[in-house]
Amino acid sequence: DAKTTQPTSMDCAEGRAANLPCNHSTISGNEYVYWYRQIHSQGPQYIIHGLKNNETNEMASLIITEDRKSSTLILPHATLRDTAVYYCIVRVGGTDKLIFGTGTRLQVFP
Amino acid sequence: DAGVIQSPRHEVTEMGQEVTLRCKPISGHNSLFWYRQTMMRGLELLIYFNNNVPIDDSGMPEDRFSAKMPNASFSTLKIQPSEPRDSAVYFCASSDTGFGPSMKAFFGQGTRLTVV
Repeated sequence: DAKTTQPTSMDCAEGRAANLPCNHSTISGNEYVYWYRQIHSQGPQYIIHGLKNNETNEMASLIITEDRKSSTLILPHATLRDTAVYYCIVRVGGTDKLIFGTGTRLQVFP
Repeated sequence: DAGVIQSPRHEVTEMGQEVTLRCKPISGHNSLFWYRQTMMRGLELLIYFNNNVPIDDSGMPEDRFSAKMPNASFSTLKIQPSEPRDSAVYFCASSDTGFGPSMKAFFGQGTRLTVV
């Protein structure tokens, strides 16, 4: 399975865009990038996923570089409720395994 | 839908006792996962089932741990005998596309296990 590297922590002002980077330089052609987040004491929550095209949904946008070696999760207007640990995960196609790393702890401040 | 339901939410038990954690997946989902979370090791995948069949149990720490899924609406994770180092939050998750690309896993609220 491809490994991911994320910064340990980040801060963001409320109302500003939060850009969370993820490095997955060993990703293979059939591996998807998933983002989940975990708000304190709760179970992880799915945010978005992609293969090679940029993706957007009601929660966030996912930008994947052309070589697919890195991606960025964008929360366009961060709120205090977005304070959480964000996990970037690479999932091997054909399996159900989602292997969580250490994630990025995002702190949104007023 | 009520989401993934886990019980109990909290469990305190003495070392050596048997512990059974329960999970009801979202109706219609065909994959179920058990994770364990600790400060030291983060979120670890213990085992997952597809169509009630265990597919990968390589994350189960040792023979003291066992998991079953007798039907599509129920799964258990059992620890016998329990040890203090088993103290953790155990999460159950389910998804509706076993091997498809858009696999979104939905997690329960977890069971906080404390073994004293």
